Amino acid sequence: DADVTQTPRNRITKTGKRIMLECSQTKGHDRMYWYRQDPGLGLRLIYYSFDVKDINKGEISDGYSVSRQAQAKFSLSLESAIPNQTALYFCATSSGLAYGETQYFGPGTRLLVL
Amino acid sequence: AQTVTQSQPEMSVQEAETVTLSCTYDTSESDYYLFWYKQPPSRQMILVIRQEAYKQQNATENRFSVNFQKAAKSFSLKISDSQLGDAAMYFCTQGGSEKLVFGKGTKLTVNP
Repeated sequence: DADVTQTPRNRITKTGKRIMLECSQTKGHDRMYWYRQDPGLGLRLIYYSFDVKDINKGEISDGYSVSRQAQAKFSLSLESAIPNQTALYFCATSSGLAYGETQYFGPGTRLLVL
Repeated sequence: AQTVTQSQPEMSVQEAETVTLSCTYDTSESDYYLFWYKQPPSRQMILVIRQEAYKQQNATENRFSVNFQKAAKSFSLKISDSQLGDAAMYFCTQGGSEKLVFGKGTKLTVNP
């Protein structure tokens, strides 16, 4: 089984709808991240969490919210989806035990907002 | 602020040949890590190689090696004996005290 899973893998929604993307991990890592990937722009950080009580905004947090339900679960919500939120979304985890520890990525969720 | 620049949006290489992907970065931190991630058409992000900034020796992983020039803030990736399976987007990434910063990527095509 994969260490980092994301659900759903693909999602089509309409403008104004609320949606949630979920991430679960079995690596036992404390740190979890949500990224967005757009063509030609690489990955950009939306939110990150170092433990259940520690959540931080990344460079593009507007229009998004997150919830860290447990060490293993980190959800990303779009309260009112808009077309420019159409993108590929990645969840990632790291142990944070060492400085600059490697991040492990989920398979991604492709979101289309009509 | 951390920045990562990949100046080559696209590169191509003949199968079995060698190719070098360029990357420069900027950071005010003294301790950091550098990474190259590969993203094949399956879209999965796969770690290729990792370099600790305090180490002078360049990292190698089989056919993949880096040329790390700390003073110049340069971190290039060399792929030797290129294979068709190396075709992918490659992202140069710098890890600081809290998070990773990604370059915009280089699309590598491998021609048979």
